[in-house]
Amino acid sequence: KQEVTQIPAALSVPEGENLVLNCSFTDSAIYNLQWFRQDPGKGLTSLLLIQSSQREQTSGRLNASLDKSSGRSTLYIAASQPGDSATYLCAVTAQGGSEKLVFGKGTKLTVNP
Amino acid sequence: GAGVSQSPSNKVTEKGKDVELRCDPISGHTALYWYRQSLGQGLEFLIYFQGNSAPDKSGLPSDRFSAERTGGSVSTLTIQRTQQEDSAVYLCASSLSQGVRGTQYFGPGTRLLVL
Repeated sequence: KQEVTQIPAALSVPEGENLVLNCSFTDSAIYNLQWFRQDPGKGLTSLLLIQSSQREQTSGRLNASLDKSSGRSTLYIAASQPGDSATYLCAVTAQGGSEKLVFGKGTKLTVNP
Repeated sequence: GAGVSQSPSNKVTEKGKDVELRCDPISGHTALYWYRQSLGQGLEFLIYFQGNSAPDKSGLPSDRFSAERTGGSVSTLTIQRTQQEDSAVYLCASSLSQGVRGTQYFGPGTRLLVL
């Protein structure tokens, strides 16, 4: 059974700091890995999607890496801003079957001005 | 274009009552997923539709939960005889296809509170 773990559960940083969020998964048979952002009381916004054949994806100040063989991904946020405060969720798409997303429990990020 | 929509956005009900939650996927998306987000539990898969059929119902927590999809479009999730532990945010997602192209797009969710 695929399990996704995110560390840390919560993180508080001062504005301007670079930071790394970690995600690990137990089964390397995945199609892709996604990082989502969730604001309080809102749905999910997809930030980055990395296909299993890729090593990283970049969007603006965000960079996500994937090491499928070791079951790890990181989300790097450069020059953090208070508007980055949210919960960040990592999810993998399992190969075969329904290809449902299996989510970690998220990292709650607070960026202090 | 329009994204995934869900209704109602919030629902408060009494224990024992039945509720219906609705999902309108992005037009043309053949795959539809329901997930549940409970406090402290994270996001959990409930059911998957491909067209109108549901080949994977493995995440439904009990037989009080059922879902259907009609016309390859709208889906309803029904919870019978609601219990307090059913309180959660129910999220719907749709995708154009599966595999490497199958990015799932999420709706805003329905917040269910069972008193």
